[in-house]
Order: sequence, then structure tokens, then C-alpha cells
Amino acid sequence: DSGVTQTPKHLITATGQRVTLRCSPRSGDLSVYWYQQSLDQGLQFLIQYYNGEERAKGNILERFSAQQFPDLHSELNLSSLELGDSALYFCASSVGGHNQPQHFGDGTRLSIL
Amino acid sequence: ELKVEQNPLFLSMQEGKNYTIYCNYSTTSDRLYWYRQDPGKSLESLFVLLSNGAVKQEGRLMASLDTKARLSTLHITAAVHDLSATYFCAVTVLSPLVFGKGTRLSVIA
Repeated sequence: DSGVTQTPKHLITATGQRVTLRCSPRSGDLSVYWYQQSLDQGLQFLIQYYNGEERAKGNILERFSAQQFPDLHSELNLSSLELGDSALYFCASSVGGHNQPQHFGDGTRLSIL
Repeated sequence: ELKVEQNPLFLSMQEGKNYTIYCNYSTTSDRLYWYRQDPGKSLESLFVLLSNGAVKQEGRLMASLDTKARLSTLHITAAVHDLSATYFCAVTVLSPLVFGKGTRLSVIA
């Protein structure tokens, strides 16, 4: 158990819809990272927050957004969903910045029908 | 742009045999990680390699780092079925992790 909690574990929805994925980091960790894992793109970094502020941005679509709240949990919002958004979305957390080991949650499997 | 390449992408090996997975990266890195992922599961951290010549071992797995060659290896000794999984290397250069595509390892009797 990494200590990183992601909900829900599975999500099935339709094209055009909007969903929110939630992540609670390990106790004491200030950084939260979001990754997307798909068969064709592999594991891709989406976005990082550190203590409530956006720290780094990767290959995140404009339809996607995220935030980190004062209690340090984070949410990833995906809107206008397309079939290609079907993937496993991981959250990871670390104590500080990029040089700290990241601990991964169990992921949210998103299926778009 | 930092790029990370792993090979092979697929590896089927017999129990008891040895093999090596290779991870090449394109620019000087701060550190290199190896992760294991079972199907549909999370990523489990195996090793963190920080400096040139670093070698770490855990059970039948040994990882090494050559920063001059920008190469890391994950060596599997006397493979057992429980090692079947996908192994990823990931590299950071003052940036979030960049992952290789992963090596899907299947250990067969």
C-alpha cells in the first residue's frame, strides 16, 4: 500500500461527458502528479501540483484540468470526453519536487463508450 | 526533449535463465528509477539510481547505472514465474518523470 488513494477505481461513461478523478496523497507529501497510461501512448505525465500551485505541465489536453486543494488532495477534471481518453489515470505523490521518489496510487480506469 | 528507450519491449524467458533489460536516455539525468507493474495494477518502485556506477540489488533483480553512456540495465538472475510483469525505467532531469515504454516480461516454465 503506497498510501496514495485514488477514487473511483473504475469509471464508465459516454463520449461528450465530464468526469472528476480524485487523489489523496500520502500523509506529508506536498506534490501531486497525474499520469495517463494508454496502450498506444504509454505512461505520460499530465500535470504536477505542489502545495496548491501548478508546478509543471506535460501533455495535458485543454479539455483536461486539475487542481490541488488546501488539504492537498487533488482532482483531475476531464471534459468533452472522447473514445481516445479511455486509459488508466494514475496519481502519484512525493514529499517535494522532482528529485523526490514518487509513490503511485492504484489508478482510475476510465472507459468511454 | 528527454527521451527514454527500453529494449526489449517484450521478453519471454525460461525459468532459471538470466537476462538483461536495457534503458537508454537522451540527456544527462538527475536520477533513474525502475518500476514494476503487474497487469491492471499500480507501479511499484524497485530501485532509484543516483550516480554513475550505482548498483542496487534486491533478490533476483540487479540494477546499474552508467551516466556517461546514459544507460541503465536491469539484470534478472535465475528467473522465476513471480517476476512476470512489466518493468519501466523512468528518468528525471529537473522535471517530472519521463518513462520508457516498458518491457513486458513473461517467465515460463
